[in-house]
Amino acid sequence: AQSVTQLGSHVSVSEGALVLLRCNYSSSVPPYLFWYVQYPNQGLQLLLKYTSAATLVKGINGFEAEFKKSETSFHLTKPSAHMSDAAEYFCAVSARSNDYKLSFGAGTTVTVRA
Amino acid sequence: EPEVTQTPSHQVTQMGQEVILRCVPISNHLYFYWYRQILGQKVEFLVSFYNNEISEKSEIFDDQFSVERPDGSNFTLKIRSTKLEDSAMYFCAGRASGNTIYFGEGSWLTVV
Repeated sequence: AQSVTQLGSHVSVSEGALVLLRCNYSSSVPPYLFWYVQYPNQGLQLLLKYTSAATLVKGINGFEAEFKKSETSFHLTKPSAHMSDAAEYFCAVSARSNDYKLSFGAGTTVTVRA
Repeated sequence: EPEVTQTPSHQVTQMGQEVILRCVPISNHLYFYWYRQILGQKVEFLVSFYNNEISEKSEIFDDQFSVERPDGSNFTLKIRSTKLEDSAMYFCAGRASGNTIYFGEGSWLTVV
């Protein structure tokens, strides 16, 4: 079985400040890890993914995440927040052994202060 | 860029009515999924579909739910007799032969 835990249901940052969203995973097999973003009234858009290649993964809109096996973490960061980053962010895990079915975290809502 | 498209974007239905949610996956996708997100809760897996049959379903996906891909393009989710607790955003998703699932914009279902 696989699961993810997102620490913090709500993060508020100032424009230009670092965005850090935390995700820890649990998996008995090598995981595939994903971050999805959901803008208001929109669907789930893939931000980035880790699939056992490079541990530092770069995604769209300046986001990146680092896979740390020793810490079972896959935290998402962006050096400088923009107003357009206000959204809900979901961490998710899957595995080849369960046909890549995704298990999602509870989500973190990001608000950006001017 | 190809997208998974879903219709309707929002549907309001009376309790006990049947609802069909439709999805047009990306053309090279082979695996299809429905997920749902009840307001304020996690995105939950409902069902996966491959080669014209269900490959896995969650305990949420009871006899009230069914899926089919009747014409090789549309992928539908049917809820036979809706309940208030079926109110949620329903996401269709698809995957080619790789490991990444792509989602549609979602269909908001409100049961009154």
